[in-house]
Amino acid sequence: GAVVSQHPSWVICKSGTSVKIECRSLDFQATTMFWYRQFPKQSLMLMATSNEGSKATYEQGVEKDKFLINHASLTLSTLTVTSAHPEDSSFYICSASHRQEKASTNEKLFFGSGTQLSVL
Amino acid sequence: GQNIDQPTEMTATEGAIVQINCTYQTSGFNGLFWYQQHAGEAPTFLSYNVLDGLEEKGRFSSFLSRSKGYSYLLLKELQMKDSASYLCAVRAHGSSNTGKLIFGQGTTLQVKP
Repeated sequence: GAVVSQHPSWVICKSGTSVKIECRSLDFQATTMFWYRQFPKQSLMLMATSNEGSKATYEQGVEKDKFLINHASLTLSTLTVTSAHPEDSSFYICSASHRQEKASTNEKLFFGSGTQLSVL
Repeated sequence: GQNIDQPTEMTATEGAIVQINCTYQTSGFNGLFWYQQHAGEAPTFLSYNVLDGLEEKGRFSSFLSRSKGYSYLLLKELQMKDSASYLCAVRAHGSSNTGKLIFGQGTTLQVKP
């Protein structure tokens, strides 16, 4: 199946610093990528939809100036958590759409391995 | 609004069968997905339903009733490695946003010997 690579797997940073997370589709072109965050024992909450070559679409309540998303190519999207604070500590997961050849509506999402962010 | 409900926790015995239910109320419907997620890992795709009925894939089956806003995931011949969280997700939008999924809170399944 399709592979989505996410780096880093975990990061610890000081409060006030910025952290960049990369999401790459390794064997397919992803025109759309999605960024989720997940708190312990909770489900995935969509933060934003990242479209190649255009601005990201943010979900209600997500600060676009704090969570900067760049989708510069068909295989790479980045999420930068700016001026991170302890409340930003969470598990961040990206996903990419891979359109099936025979069933245009059966579009699977492939997830990256996730990034555990801890802000001290 | 969008609402997806599934039980928080379930326990079952190795070798048994377990059914995890999911009910949803969303603005539009364009498919329902089940994912498995082990702690600290990314979700992995299990099944997809867009039409009513049962989809079977090995030990896993998923059922959908669109009129009832209801789905279930059936796991047979449970193994210890099946202990994980199971996420129900609905794609509520059409082709303009085909990959956007809304997730339920997940069901943590514990398989006991």
